[in-house]
Amino acid sequence: EVQVLEFGGGLVQPGGSLRLSCAASGFTFSNYAMSWVRQAPGKGLEWVSAISANGDSTYYADSVKDRFTISRDNSKNTVYLEMNSLRADDTAVYYCAKGLSQPPFDYWGQGTLVTVSS
Amino acid sequence: QSVLTQPPSVSAAPGQKVTISCSGRSSNIGNNYVSWYQQLPGTAPKLLIYENNKRPSGIPDRFSGSKSGTSATLGITGLQTGDEADYYCGTWDSSLSGWVFGGGTKLTVL
Repeated sequence: EVQVLEFGGGLVQPGGSLRLSCAASGFTFSNYAMSWVRQAPGKGLEWVSAISANGDSTYYADSVKDRFTISRDNSKNTVYLEMNSLRADDTAVYYCAKGLSQPPFDYWGQGTLVTVSS
Repeated sequence: QSVLTQPPSVSAAPGQKVTISCSGRSSNIGNNYVSWYQQLPGTAPKLLIYENNKRPSGIPDRFSGSKSGTSATLGITGLQTGDEADYYCGTWDSSLSGWVFGGGTKLTVL
């Protein structure tokens, strides 16, 4: 059974940093891209970032470029999202999802809430 | 303002059919596959349709997808109260080099 589980959300002050982790199981992790998608309270889905299966290629939404960094450790079946210079509008539930294509986002975690507030 | 345009809401009676549109441009829908996601209240999104019209295992054939030019459509037949959810379309945007979602459509089954 495929499982995706996010960790690391919480309350952080504006300008602060936070690292999210996503542990996956039930599939050959090193064969698939992984992605982060967020959802601000009461709002729609916003794609944040993705990383290729071997980690060589990374992609970012303009809203987080130069502030967020995605990485992965295929030996630990884990993908990370390092978030710096956090702003109030980064407040959202952050979902980790399997894939970017073939098919895209076919499994999602339950989400972890990040709140940026003083 | 989302890159892909969806109607904010649609509604229909139980047993009826509904369609949800998703409009984009050549850099996204026009040249890439479209996916659809269902988000039930308080839960994570779930993949309903990928590659324009394919259903993952476990998704009933009441759900269908199609694409024409720079628009895509999700169809749901035999509506059930359990289908009440937010529905999102999504695709890769070659100009942005990133994934884009529609703003979401809230389905109400009256």
